[in-house]
Amino acid sequence: DAMVIQNPRYQVTQFGKPVTLSCSQTLNHNVMYWYQQKSSQAPKLLFHYYDKDFNNEADTPDNFQSRRPNTSFCFLDIRSPGLGDAAMYLCATSPLALGRGQYFGPGTRLTVT
Amino acid sequence: ELKVEQNPLFLSMQEGKNYTIYCNYSTTSDRLYWYRQDPGKSLESLFVLLSNGAVKQEGRLMASLDTKARLSTLHITAAVHDLSATYFCAVDMEYGNKLVFGAGTILRVKS
Repeated sequence: DAMVIQNPRYQVTQFGKPVTLSCSQTLNHNVMYWYQQKSSQAPKLLFHYYDKDFNNEADTPDNFQSRRPNTSFCFLDIRSPGLGDAAMYLCATSPLALGRGQYFGPGTRLTVT
Repeated sequence: ELKVEQNPLFLSMQEGKNYTIYCNYSTTSDRLYWYRQDPGKSLESLFVLLSNGAVKQEGRLMASLDTKARLSTLHITAAVHDLSATYFCAVDMEYGNKLVFGAGTILRVKS
């Protein structure tokens, strides 16, 4: 089945220790998104790629970076995690055609100790 | 700037009752999505509404879109416990498939 896969599903890191979350997709979608979702809040878009074209949201902290080496994979790097970065991180994909919505992966729950 | 407002934000209802969740948005769009999220899980797509007057139904849930009023509704009929979850509406920006989410409605169905 075509899908969006995120690894790991649970990640524990220490304060200030860099961490990388990964996302892969078998849907062959052009667009990939990274969201941060804190408890009882809506998902907050961090950035997205149209193919290799990177688009950063204005309020995304510099501590968050992303890489998309090819169509299938996208990575979220948190350079120096703080306690406030503990959250669920959701990857989503969509095709370029309008009206198709976004397909979400299962998420990675990040804990910062 | 596109803003999406949902109400209520929290809904506690008895099994067997009906209720409606409202989603208002601030600028022109004819693409609106409803998602469900269970605690600790990701978002599951429920409905895709792509035109004025669109109505979709799945089981006890029915969603509609009025683009003139910039309003979508998610109607729950004869609620059951399994419907307890958080429901988000999201509106497509005019370019691409970038979504703006409402704050979410936490639904608790009590027996």
